[in-house]
Amino acid sequence: AQSVTQLDSQVPVFEEAPVELRCNYSSSVSVYLFWYVQYPNQGLQLLLKYLSGSTLVESINGFEAEFNKSQTSFHLRKPSVHISDTAEYFCAVSEVGSSYKLIFGSGTRLLVRP
Amino acid sequence: DSGVTQTPKHLITATGQRVTLRCSPRSGDLSVYWYQQSLDQGLQFLIQYYNGEERAKGNILERFSAQQFPDLHSELNLSSLELGDSALYFCASSALTEDIQYFGAGTRLSVL
Repeated sequence: AQSVTQLDSQVPVFEEAPVELRCNYSSSVSVYLFWYVQYPNQGLQLLLKYLSGSTLVESINGFEAEFNKSQTSFHLRKPSVHISDTAEYFCAVSEVGSSYKLIFGSGTRLLVRP
Repeated sequence: DSGVTQTPKHLITATGQRVTLRCSPRSGDLSVYWYQQSLDQGLQFLIQYYNGEERAKGNILERFSAQQFPDLHSELNLSSLELGDSALYFCASSALTEDIQYFGAGTRLSVL
């Protein structure tokens, strides 16, 4: 069975500092990997995805994540955060060849302080 | 705006009651997924429909059921409601079963 672990429930960081949100997964088959962001009182928005190809994927707002198969990780990074990045971030996996339902981690609350 | 519409946004009801949550997928998307987000369980997959047929089931209670209609909108029916059913219920849609899922804004259910 698949599982996703986000070890950090909350990550406080100062504005313009770098940040890394950790995500590890467990699966016996190939997976697709996703990061979703949830702003307060809103739904989930896709931030970035890894389906195949380059293991480094980037979003339009400066986030990037790297798929590491040997370490079964998909950590999210941003070199310089803004106050507006304050939100809950969810890592998710789906098994290739199955129903593609998403299995989510418990989420990491990124709190950016001025 | 993801293009996925969920109604109602908020629902307040009493224990033992039955409610129906509605989801309209993005235009052209054949696949609909339902998820539950609660404080104690986090985000959990409930059920998936693809072009009107049930495709996969997750941690969905027997008191809950869903269907997808010919126009591709979907409804999630929750019956004999309990306090623990209070949660945010999300619908997501995708063009194909392996494609990216786009989420609606959710329906917040409060069972009193």
